[in-house]
Amino acid sequence: DQQVKQNSPSLSVQEGRISILNCDYTNSMFDYFLWYKKYPAEGPTFLISISSIKDKNEDGRFTVFLNKSAKHLSLHIVPSQPGDSAVYFCAASGKAAGNKLTFGGGTRVLVKP
Amino acid sequence: EPEVTQTPSHQVTQMGQEVILRCVPISNHLYFYWYRQILGQKVEFLVSFYNNEISEKSEIFDDQFSVERPDGSNFTLKIRSTKLEDSAMYFCASKEGLAARNIQYFGAGTRLSVL
Repeated sequence: DQQVKQNSPSLSVQEGRISILNCDYTNSMFDYFLWYKKYPAEGPTFLISISSIKDKNEDGRFTVFLNKSAKHLSLHIVPSQPGDSAVYFCAASGKAAGNKLTFGGGTRVLVKP
Repeated sequence: EPEVTQTPSHQVTQMGQEVILRCVPISNHLYFYWYRQILGQKVEFLVSFYNNEISEKSEIFDDQFSVERPDGSNFTLKIRSTKLEDSAMYFCASKEGLAARNIQYFGAGTRLSVL
């Protein structure tokens, strides 16, 4: 199932710099997009989301951008901190209330002090 | 802060045995889900549950799988006769009603090892 794809399996960034994570999707019925962070031995933790009617959503150091025409979203983390080192998953869902999440394969981020 | 609780954290079983994975969703949530992640692969949807019935299930969720909400707090996933390929992390998730959009909150997972 390649409906949601994260093409970069890993990313290394210096503390204080920007981390940019990318995600592409193919299903035009997706209308809600989320980013989750996952530490080892823990479940995915919700980070930030965006509805398809918006192109940007910001929450503190985290900003998600959505480009519907390109079917692309990105997560910006500014400034990156060592505690941000984790696996980040992009996920998407359709319009139904209880709709399932379709996940990307994840990007492992390492923030170097 | 309310959280989704899963037990056990690790379950080891013999092929062909039945296992029950348990979850306590966040108390005011209405939608419940099971996902799994086989090592090295994506997180995959298994089943969603609302109003005491399955609302959607994936191709993975065949007759060997069942879910139940036996009381007001627990949500269980049963695998009747485990196979080697059922070895994975199983995540339970829950969600509020419509107003919360589709923000699902996940438990820490149960690692199932089928020998």
